Amino acid sequence: GDKVKQSPSALSLQEGTNSALRCNFSIAATTVQWFLQNPRGSLINLFYLVPGTKENGRLKSTFNSKESYSTLHIRDAQLEDSGTYFCAANNNNRIFFGDGTQLVVKP
Amino acid sequence: AQTIHQWPVAEIKAVGSPLSLGCTIKGKSSPNLYWYWQATGGTLQQLFYSITVGQVESVVQLNLSASRPKDDQFILSTEKLLLSHSGFYLCAWSLGEGLNERLFFGHGTKLSVL
Repeated sequence: GDKVKQSPSALSLQEGTNSALRCNFSIAATTVQWFLQNPRGSLINLFYLVPGTKENGRLKSTFNSKESYSTLHIRDAQLEDSGTYFCAANNNNRIFFGDGTQLVVKP
Repeated sequence: AQTIHQWPVAEIKAVGSPLSLGCTIKGKSSPNLYWYWQATGGTLQQLFYSITVGQVESVVQLNLSASRPKDDQFILSTEKLLLSHSGFYLCAWSLGEGLNERLFFGHGTKLSVL
């Protein structure tokens, strides 16, 4: 979307490596969510963030509201991490999704 | 634990035919409910949301309608399908008092309009 810009649009990683995905917002986001859409289409909620950082296993996400961005760090990438990652920003009770980052993890 | 169930899993329909997609939430009282549409390879577009039974708000007009006949049920429908209705439809519910707080999605319905 034009209010939420995700980068990169696509990414290929070797198994066991690390990477970071980013979202930049042109709106004043109050909360941010990160989702993983698996190849079957199911969307899994990875993080729900107010400004700050959260960590869950090999994933860590930061939301910086002052500089209008959020990042998702993937450590020690595994094959099952493959899919499309979406970030979504909440602004005035409306939600805006980015266009996604397609991640492929290769053995 | 809350569960969300969508039906059908997939549909192939003819242009001009009617459509009804369903979504049921169990284990959560008075959830906020949402319908989303996703074009193949595209982003998610919120179509409708509902805060309570009998009340539905439209976010984007795509010649579709939605209804909430029961607290735990959300229906998406149209009387005449268009080719542009093809895509992936996802139902979601959210925690919290406000709209669009932490979202949890169903498994989706793949719709092909021919």
